[in-house]
Amino acid sequence: NAGVMQNPRHLVRRRGQEARLRCSPMKGHSHVYWYRQLPEEGLKFMVYLQKENIIDESGMPKERFSAEFPKEGPSILRIQQVVRGDSAAYFCASSREPDALLGYTFGSGTRLTVV
Amino acid sequence: GENVEQHPSTLSVQEGDSAVIKCTYSDSASNYFPWYKQELGKGPQLIIDIRSNVGEKKDQRIAVTLNKTAKHFSLHITETQPEDSAVYFCAASIGGGGNKLTFGTGTQLKVEL
Repeated sequence: NAGVMQNPRHLVRRRGQEARLRCSPMKGHSHVYWYRQLPEEGLKFMVYLQKENIIDESGMPKERFSAEFPKEGPSILRIQQVVRGDSAAYFCASSREPDALLGYTFGSGTRLTVV
Repeated sequence: GENVEQHPSTLSVQEGDSAVIKCTYSDSASNYFPWYKQELGKGPQLIIDIRSNVGEKKDQRIAVTLNKTAKHFSLHITETQPEDSAVYFCAASIGGGGNKLTFGTGTQLKVEL
């Protein structure tokens, strides 16, 4: 049973380009969460999605960032017109249940570098 | 919103000694407190968690304590080994809220031979 799969592992973009980060949850998991980790900082919540629905996007920047989790396929975190400050590690996690009293599993992350 | 503070930011211990990492949280409604271990270049891995109806939980060399009145919780690692070297994060969450975790800023633990 594969864990949470994220790709690519490393992504380099020039300023102004678009970045697409993909996350395939664990088998049987229908809840996906995205977190961002800046260098030498803790993880910051960005967005919580279920299939075809955004449940909580309170941590998403108001502009340039969007997320989706379609009925078929992986969840996508999209960053338009990237800037240097977007350089970070982006982690996806998934869970079977929405209850916060159950732990969830993180993927290995995508490390985005904006040059 | 919830705020989680974590101390120390770095911790160096001799192999075989114990290590203690402490966290405080601000929202008294938080009722789930996981700890994650992150090795270089990898994602965070859940190592132990505790719920607000429990004061202490132990799993082999790892234990976590929770003081709800003081709003703080701690990770204890006994008989440390070199493979325990990593960054450790505490987190807090409110049950039923969709699993949004608020993380501390991490502790870099180094176990020296």
